[in-house]
Amino acid sequence: EAQVTQNPRYLITVTGKKLTVTCSQNMNHEYMSWYRQDPGLGLRQIYYSMNVEVTDKGDVPEGYKVSRKEKRNFPLILESPSPNQTSLYFCASVAGGASSYNEQFFGPGTRLTVL
Amino acid sequence: AQSVAQPEDQVNVAEGNPLTVKCTYSVSGNPYLFWYVQYPNRGLQFLLKYITGDNLVKGSYGFEAEFNKSQTSFHLKKPSALVSDSALYFCAVRQRDYGQNFVFGPGTRLSVLP
Repeated sequence: EAQVTQNPRYLITVTGKKLTVTCSQNMNHEYMSWYRQDPGLGLRQIYYSMNVEVTDKGDVPEGYKVSRKEKRNFPLILESPSPNQTSLYFCASVAGGASSYNEQFFGPGTRLTVL
Repeated sequence: AQSVAQPEDQVNVAEGNPLTVKCTYSVSGNPYLFWYVQYPNRGLQFLLKYITGDNLVKGSYGFEAEFNKSQTSFHLKKPSALVSDSALYFCAVRQRDYGQNFVFGPGTRLSVLP
């Protein structure tokens, strides 16, 4: 089954404790992206990756890191989480390159709470 | 810069009535436009997209959307609403010629009342 998986689905942590949210897709998609969803703000893009070893900042990259060492995986790293990073996070992937008109496939989401 | 507006936070409609969820966009080039739906505790699901050609596009679950270039709008419609259509709807845009970013609107919560 074609899918995007995220782990963990729920996470409660404390300020300053480094964490990683994993994302994996089995569709051989080039483009992957991370979003955060906050009430009234919709989805805001954190980082995206056009392909292996190619990543770039989205609209709200501060406090986050990503890497793309393999095509299927795109982990999101919070080196020192803060309470304002409490949010619902989604990973997504798209087939095709920069001019692709294909739709995104979304993971199930990770609800993160930073105390 | 690209932006998407969904002017209504909430839309209420009676079951069986037509529904419209509004979306307007701003992009410097030609856009690719998308609608997604999010059910409670779920990820986003793709509904439909406009790429080129016919301004009226049809998608999943009986939804359709009309692209209007002069008004820079891409409103989502359905002729007869179902209670099961109640969800959060997002409009998104990607710039055609240099479209590395997807930009989403803030979302519209649709409630279909029995």
